[in-house]
Formats: sequence, C-alpha cells, structure tokens
Amino acid sequence: ILNVEQSPQSLHVQEGDSTNFTCSFPSSNFYALHWYRWETAKSPEALFVMTLNGDEKKKGRISATLNTKEGYSYLYIKGSQPEDSATYLCAQHPNNLFFGTGTRLTVIP
Amino acid sequence: NAGVMQNPRHLVRRRGQEARLRCSPMKGHSHVYWYRQLPEEGLKFMVYLQKENIIDESGMPKERFSAEFPKEGPSILRIQQVVRGDSAAYFCASSPTHNSNQPQHFGDGTRLSIL
Repeated sequence: ILNVEQSPQSLHVQEGDSTNFTCSFPSSNFYALHWYRWETAKSPEALFVMTLNGDEKKKGRISATLNTKEGYSYLYIKGSQPEDSATYLCAQHPNNLFFGTGTRLTVIP
Repeated sequence: NAGVMQNPRHLVRRRGQEARLRCSPMKGHSHVYWYRQLPEEGLKFMVYLQKENIIDESGMPKERFSAEFPKEGPSILRIQQVVRGDSAAYFCASSPTHNSNQPQHFGDGTRLSIL
C-alpha cells in the first residue's frame, strides 16, 4: 500500500483567486502520478498523468508540476471559477491507482 | 463513444441478500478496475481484471466478495450476504492497456445501501 497524502483537505476561495494544493508521495519508489477532478455525483475525470521529474503539464487554467526527488506534486488553478468546485484527487499507479483522500475545492462566486 | 457504464446507479439491499454490480468498460478497453469509497473515506482499490482473468485482487475482502469479467458481457462485482458495512459507492474504471502512464476512465458509480 502506498501512502499518498493531499493537503489541504478542503479549501474555499473567492472567484478569480488563484490557488494551489499539494500531493505528497514516497520519493523512494516513484510510479506515475495521476491527477483527477471529481465533481459531486459524477465520475472522476482524468486531468494529468505525470511521469518525469520536473514535468509540468497544463490544461486551460489548470497546471501541475512534479518533483519525484522530494516526493510531491502541485496542482495550480489560475483565476478560479465556480465550475472549478470539485474534489481534486492524486494517485500513484504502480499496478493500480492508490489515491490520496483529495482536496475539496469550493469557489465562492 | 460511450464511456464506462455502471448499473444500477443506486442499489438497496437488506442484510443477508446478494448485491450484483455491473460495469461495461469503454469500447476497446480490456482492463477493468473496481474501487470502493466507504463513507468519509477516499477511493480504495479492490480488484483488477482483464478479460476472463483476475490479475490482482489484493484489495478485495477475503470473504463474500467476488469479481468476474467474462469473455462476453460486463464485469460483475458480487457481494454475498451483505452487511451494513458494505454500504459504499463502488466505482469501476477501464483502460486500453495496463500501462501506468495511461489514465483510467471511470464510471458514475453504484451507490449501495444496506438496510
């Protein structure tokens, strides 16, 4: 079992603010790092798969970075919108996905 | 292109009954994964199947739970003699390969409630 931790557990931001949260994982054995976005009553939706130290990926206003040597990944959201409200999950993938407990983001209009 | 289809969306069972949860993967995907989300907890891996084979069931409870992915038809997660603690959301995901660089595509889940 891999120990994947996410912080903060929940976050409230005002519309237009930029925000970021953290995913931590053991740096000793790195596997691909996945980010998912999970809206209430819907299915988790893949955002990024990151594999190399120093990877940076971007999709619209959302971007992510990866540091495998120190064991963390950051997810950034620029200019948060109410539709960004969701739980953001990260996971390590050795043979299947080991998820963190997620960061629940609420964007207040 | 239909996504991962799970049914039913909601399932209510009384203690001692059987629950059958179905998952049809995306077209062209032969790898299926089942995850469970217990109340107030995160998503936890249960079992990974490829057509007709269970590859990894390390996350599956040893008793009462079984899974299959037949040559034809959907993958089935079966829970016999359900107990209150089985109440959870069960999610299925699929992928075309087992490569860790490949994202998994999730269904909308089955919410199981045990009375």
